[in-house]
Amino acid sequence: DSGVTQTPKHLITATGQRVTLRCSPRSGDLSVYWYQQSLDQGLQFLIHYYNGEERAKGNILERFSAQQFPDLHSELNLSSLELGDSALYFCASSALLASGNTIYFGEGSWLTVV
Amino acid sequence: GQNIDQPTEMTATEGAIVQINCTYQTSGFNGLFWYQQHAGEAPTFLSYNVLDGLEEKGRFSSFLSRSKGYSYLLLKELQMKDSASYLCAVNTPLVFGKGTRLSVIA
Repeated sequence: DSGVTQTPKHLITATGQRVTLRCSPRSGDLSVYWYQQSLDQGLQFLIHYYNGEERAKGNILERFSAQQFPDLHSELNLSSLELGDSALYFCASSALLASGNTIYFGEGSWLTVV
Repeated sequence: GQNIDQPTEMTATEGAIVQINCTYQTSGFNGLFWYQQHAGEAPTFLSYNVLDGLEEKGRFSSFLSRSKGYSYLLLKELQMKDSASYLCAVNTPLVFGKGTRLSVIA
């Protein structure tokens, strides 16, 4: 158990809908990262927050947004869902902002868009 | 941009040694990580290299050559439970390669 908690574990929704994925980082970790993993693309970095502020953006679509709250939990919002958004979404956390900090992954949220 | 290359699949025999290679091209370098991921599960941390050389941790070792943009993960005394994907990643935030799926056979 990494200490990173993600909900829901599984989600099935229809195209065009909107969903919110939730992440609680390890106790004391200030950094939260979101990754998307699909079969053909591997693990893709989406976005990084540190202590409530956005620090880096990766291949995140405009239909997707995220935020980190004062209690350090984070949410990833996915809207106007398409079939291709079906994937495993991971949240990860690390203690600091500095390079070389190990990041720890949650168990992921399986999203299926039908 | 960043580019990370790993072999897609490898097969090795239980009890043997296997080396998984990773080459990378980055505009800056903050360190290289190896993660293990079983199918449908979370990636778990294996090793971190920021300086050239070999880091050993039990049955697993990782090597880095920054001048060559090259790393390898060495797994010794392979066990069936080592069947998994091994992900090479660089920098912070981590950018991952597509992973190497290792199958350990009896």
